[in-house]
Amino acid sequence: EVQLVESGGGSVQPGGSLRLSCAASGFTFSRYWMHWVRQPPGKGLVWVSRINTDGSSTSYADSVKGRFTISRDNAKNTLYLQMNSLRAEDTAVYYCAREFGNGQSWGQGTMVTVSS
Amino acid sequence: QSALTQPASVSGSPGQSITISCTGTSSDVGGYNYVSWYQQHPGKAPKLMIYDVSNRPSGVSDRFSGSKSGNTASLTISGLQAEDEADYYCSSYTSSSTYVFGSGTKVTVL
Repeated sequence: EVQLVESGGGSVQPGGSLRLSCAASGFTFSRYWMHWVRQPPGKGLVWVSRINTDGSSTSYADSVKGRFTISRDNAKNTLYLQMNSLRAEDTAVYYCAREFGNGQSWGQGTMVTVSS
Repeated sequence: QSALTQPASVSGSPGQSITISCTGTSSDVGGYNYVSWYQQHPGKAPKLMIYDVSNRPSGVSDRFSGSKSGNTASLTISGLQAEDEADYYCSSYTSSSTYVFGSGTKVTVL
């Protein structure tokens, strides 16, 4: 069974940093592109970032470019999102997702709250 | 990248059909056949319902169908059921090698 489990969320002050992790199991992690998607409280889904299978290619939404870094460790079957210079508007549930087409799977999300 | 435009809400009676639109530009919806649709119940993770404009993943009811014309994609739910009440989002690949979601549509079963 495909499983994606996010962790690392929590409360942080504006300007702070957090690193999210997404532990994958039940499939060959290294064969799939991976994504981060976020959802602010009571609002819609927002695509954040994606990474290719070996980590050599990444892309970001304009709202996080230069502040967030996506990476992966295929040996540990884990996806990461390093979030720096956090702002109040980054407050959201962060989901990791496998692929963006057939075979897609989502984690249950981890909450990030940026507040003073 | 601005969100794709969806109606805020759509409603229908059980057994009826409803259609949700998703309007973008030639740089996203109109330019690629990489439009997906998601269903999200409150407090739950999104669930993929349609990918690549009109394909259904295994296990998704054939009451759900997708199409695209120009810069607008559509999701049709036929034979509406109480369990279909949820939020629905479209997404598209873009010319910037990124993805964009729609603004979301709340489906109410009357």
